[in-house]
Amino acid sequence: QQQVKQSPQSLIVQKGGISIINCAYENTAFDYFPWYQQFPGKGPALLIAIRPDVSEKKEGRFTISFNKSAKQFSLHIMDSQPGDSATYFCAASTATSGTYKYIFGTGTRLKVLA
Amino acid sequence: GAVVSQHPSWVICKSGTSVKIECRSLDFQATTMFWYRQFPKQSLMLMATSNEGSKATYEQGVEKDKFLINHASLTLSTLTVTSAHPEDSSFYICSARETGDTQYFGPGTRLTVL
Repeated sequence: QQQVKQSPQSLIVQKGGISIINCAYENTAFDYFPWYQQFPGKGPALLIAIRPDVSEKKEGRFTISFNKSAKQFSLHIMDSQPGDSATYFCAASTATSGTYKYIFGTGTRLKVLA
Repeated sequence: GAVVSQHPSWVICKSGTSVKIECRSLDFQATTMFWYRQFPKQSLMLMATSNEGSKATYEQGVEKDKFLINHASLTLSTLTVTSAHPEDSSFYICSARETGDTQYFGPGTRLTVL
């Protein structure tokens, strides 16, 4: 019940295309869902985050879509660029335990072809 | 804002020696700091959670006597890998949160044990 399932494992997209990465969770206590971008040899960087009371959040080329009833959320990268080639992780956390620990997805390696 | 640093960025040590990794929040006070371990092409694995002035809470399966965590101030946490062995070679990443849900990650430390 603590898992966050992420798909696909890897993704190849043409420059200018839309990259879509999906995550699903079981624990309905989760109330914070961030997405991180990680380049090789670097720490993860926060891209965008959403809470369950919002169905969509957009920041620049990055959009999170959230489906509370289906317990799914996804990251859309519009106009994908070669510089977006990285590994993307979704995560979920809850404040109810007081720890604010993240449960991470398994990651998606995105490659954007020039 | 919300910058987290780690030192060193990489370290090579001999088997049996101890290595200390520092994690600092540069522009905010970190209520909680987290330590992760990441193997190549895998997700982040939470090792422990620490609050300033309190003992760290270790995840199941993480040896607390091997991975010593000290959170002496609101801006500094240290991870000491004691009696390191080759199997401890990994990428260690810290993160910090202020008061909200968001964790800000450091750039990571590559540990190689010979």
